[in-house]
Amino acid sequence: DAGVTQSPTHLIKTRGQQVTLRCSPISGHKSVSWYQQVLGQGPQFIFQYYEKEERGRGNFPDRFSARQFPNYSSELNVNALLLGDSALYLCASSSASDPLYEQYFGPGTRLTVT
Amino acid sequence: GESVGLHLPTLSVQEGDNSIINCAYSNSASDYFIWYKQESGKGPQFIIDIRSNMDKRQGQRVTVLLNKTVKHLSLQIAATQPGDSAVYFCAENIGTSYDKVIFGPGTSLSVIP
Repeated sequence: DAGVTQSPTHLIKTRGQQVTLRCSPISGHKSVSWYQQVLGQGPQFIFQYYEKEERGRGNFPDRFSARQFPNYSSELNVNALLLGDSALYLCASSSASDPLYEQYFGPGTRLTVT
Repeated sequence: GESVGLHLPTLSVQEGDNSIINCAYSNSASDYFIWYKQESGKGPQFIIDIRSNMDKRQGQRVTVLLNKTVKHLSLQIAATQPGDSAVYFCAENIGTSYDKVIFGPGTSLSVIP
């Protein structure tokens, strides 16, 4: 079975632009969570979706939004990019709705904002 | 954000020795804890978890100890191998509170052959 997949692998954007990151969960998993990992720090929770509904939101501005599709894949959108948005964006999937429980992470999308 | 720390703590151990990685967690109300391993260029990988009604849990070559009195979590790796070299994160959560998921700053483990 394929693990969690994310696209693209790397992305370079300029300040003020918008970006969309994509995640495909493990087959059968209905929960997708998004995390931001700044270099040298632990991941920070952004969103969790379960059964296409937002279940949780971390301490991130409204420039960050996400959605989950009927096939449980998910997109993370970030508007009006700032230099500080440069980070590794991780997606994790789970069969459970509980946060953190049995989450499997993808390899991440490395976003660089210049 | 709640995950702090710009300087990643590092731990160097000789191959075959035991490693102990420590984590001071943030919230005394947290009731679920996980250790993750993150290799360069990869996402975090689950190692072992523990709930707050336990103080010790063992896996294959790994043991997690939880001390709720001092809000301390440790990961012990037995007979450390070169493949164990990675950054290790502890993470905590309170029940189903999605906005209480907190990752620690991480510890870089380097295994000397």
